[in-house]
Amino acid sequence: RKEVEQDPGPFNVPEGATVAFNCTYSNSASQSFFWYRQDCRKEPKLLMSVYSSGNEDGRFTAQLNRASQYISLLIRDSKLSDSATYLCVVKSNAGKSTFGDGTTLTVKP
Amino acid sequence: DTAVSQTPKYLVTQMGNDKSIKCEQNLGHDTMYWYKQDSKKFLKIMFSYNNKELIINETVPNRFSPKSPDKAHLNLHINSLELGDSAVYFCASSQAKDRPYEKLFFGSGTQLSVL
Repeated sequence: RKEVEQDPGPFNVPEGATVAFNCTYSNSASQSFFWYRQDCRKEPKLLMSVYSSGNEDGRFTAQLNRASQYISLLIRDSKLSDSATYLCVVKSNAGKSTFGDGTTLTVKP
Repeated sequence: DTAVSQTPKYLVTQMGNDKSIKCEQNLGHDTMYWYKQDSKKFLKIMFSYNNKELIINETVPNRFSPKSPDKAHLNLHINSLELGDSAVYFCASSQAKDRPYEKLFFGSGTQLSVL
């Protein structure tokens, strides 16, 4: 089993749609959680951290369920500029960050 | 100023050659990393150094040897290059290895093509 598993995608949605990505992780001792965004041929960049209480940043909402070892990302009112690959990242208490294989989102006019 | 810079951006070479990729960060971070992203876009950690000390060494062939002359630099040397080494290699840094929510800052990547 992979340490971090994501929806394989791809997701193709119209502008304005709401889309949700899921991610599960295998190490129950994992310490911290993130969503990164990667545009084509570019480096990954932090989108948002994911806290136990859940957190929101504009149109983006992240949730963490430690009991189920599950992380989610919700994007509301999708924009064309949201088209990218979204990477779920789980960090161990030893400082190792493990990336999921990514979910590709394409937002169409 | 670029926070994490790596050179070269593109590297095209023949099988069997030896090549190096350099990485420098000007953020004052303690921890640096090398990640490999293959043709299927899977991003895998290779190595991590904390204050010049190797702390993470994933299952990577011995042909790959990281070197950290100081905490601002982490270079990657690859011996006897093989076709399967073709990938994008990303350098990254973070403030400290064991602070929970420290984010990773990535360089722009080095696309290595082995012919």
